[in-house]
Amino acid sequence: QVQLQESGPGLVKPSETLSLTCSVSGDSVSSSGLYWTWIRQPPGKGLEWLGHIFKSGGSTYNPSLKSRVTISLDTPKNQFSLKLSSVTAADTAMYYCARAPQVYCDITSCYIFDSWGQGTLVIVSS
Amino acid sequence: DIVLTQSPDSLAVSLGERATINCKSSQNVLYSSNNKNYLAWYQQKPGQPPKVLIYWASTRESGVPDRFSGSGSGTDFTLTISTLQAEDVAVYYCQQYFGTPLTFGGGTKVEIE
Repeated sequence: QVQLQESGPGLVKPSETLSLTCSVSGDSVSSSGLYWTWIRQPPGKGLEWLGHIFKSGGSTYNPSLKSRVTISLDTPKNQFSLKLSSVTAADTAMYYCARAPQVYCDITSCYIFDSWGQGTLVIVSS
Repeated sequence: DIVLTQSPDSLAVSLGERATINCKSSQNVLYSSNNKNYLAWYQQKPGQPPKVLIYWASTRESGVPDRFSGSGSGTDFTLTISTLQAEDVAVYYCQQYFGTPLTFGGGTKVEIE
């Protein structure tokens, strides 16, 4: 059974770069048909999709983040990472990594998140 | 972006009674080539990540109790809990995967009356 675990600093200063890693066990980040995803949730609020990456390294990001976000794969470590630059207090949130397997899909891609990490809270504050 | 509007924001239902949650999309999420609605429902309990309940608007995820059901097509969708159990207290979210950016509804909090 796949397990995902987020890690990284819980406190980041404004204007700096938030960096998180998701460690995957029970599956391979280089397997076909899997999209590795970051989603965040500000305290007491809803869910926001940040972006995802495929085994080829191809990625798609939420335009609302205005090019501040980068997601990358580390296949030897079986991890994927999130970098969010120029953070402000508005980036304070629980950050989740998740998996979207294409086995749910038919003639098109689809993004159904069947496995999630427990989340890591990142606070942006000086 | 496709905006998903959920209603109500919260509801309180007696144990054993029906709970109904609505999700309205700003755009059609029915793909005509495969006649599938690109909409999922998630349950999030306090302190936990979301868990997928329903995808393709009405397909129940493996292991999800059959008291959960999804319906609707195009722009209007419903999640129904037929007989509410104490363990169903949670926030429920709809999500569209018709297009990027992927988006979620604002959530509906379900409580016991």
